[in-house]
Amino acid sequence: GAVVSQHPSRVICKSGTSVKIECRSLDFQATTMFWYRQFPKKSLMLMATSNEGSKATYEQGVEKDKFLINHASLTLSTLTVTSAHPEDSSFYICSGQERYEQYFGPGTRLTVT
Amino acid sequence: GENVEQHPSTLSVQEGDSAVIKCTYSDSASNYFPWYKQELGKRPQLIIDIRSNVGEKKDQRIAVTLNKTAKHFSLHITETQPEDSAVYFCAASMNDYKLSFGAGTTVTVRA
Repeated sequence: GAVVSQHPSRVICKSGTSVKIECRSLDFQATTMFWYRQFPKKSLMLMATSNEGSKATYEQGVEKDKFLINHASLTLSTLTVTSAHPEDSSFYICSGQERYEQYFGPGTRLTVT
Repeated sequence: GENVEQHPSTLSVQEGDSAVIKCTYSDSASNYFPWYKQELGKRPQLIIDIRSNVGEKKDQRIAVTLNKTAKHFSLHITETQPEDSAVYFCAASMNDYKLSFGAGTTVTVRA
């Protein structure tokens, strides 16, 4: 199946700083990429839908100014957590859509101290 | 929007027995129903999916059934093995777009 990578896999940052997470589709072009947030022992919560070359569509309750998403090419989408706070600590997972299936990245564990 | 409910939240089975996880969905327009397996700290992996034009699909020890009228679908794992232990998520979407996930079922297979 198709492969999606994420970088970094783990990041620790101080409160008030910004963190960028990259999501890449390695062997396919993903017109659409999705960003999810997952709390421990919880389900995946869709944060936003990212389409190449256009603005991301955010789910209700997700602050677009706090979670900046850029989808500059068919193989790369980035999520920037701005002015991070401890409550932003979570597991962030992206996925790329190829035809009918979504392929998930390995996730990024963000810890804000 | 779509609301997917999943039961049970935890499931413990003896190795060799079957495991069944059930999901219901709210939007009758949903037509794609994938199941994902997620091991601790890893990415969700698609294990099987079904579309609304079929009622059942099987892949070795895994099968999924869909009842469109009742708006529910189920995952069946037969002859369970310890490596089947993981969290399983059902999901629903319309036209293969945004996925709405169930809350997950933690399956433990006892040796």
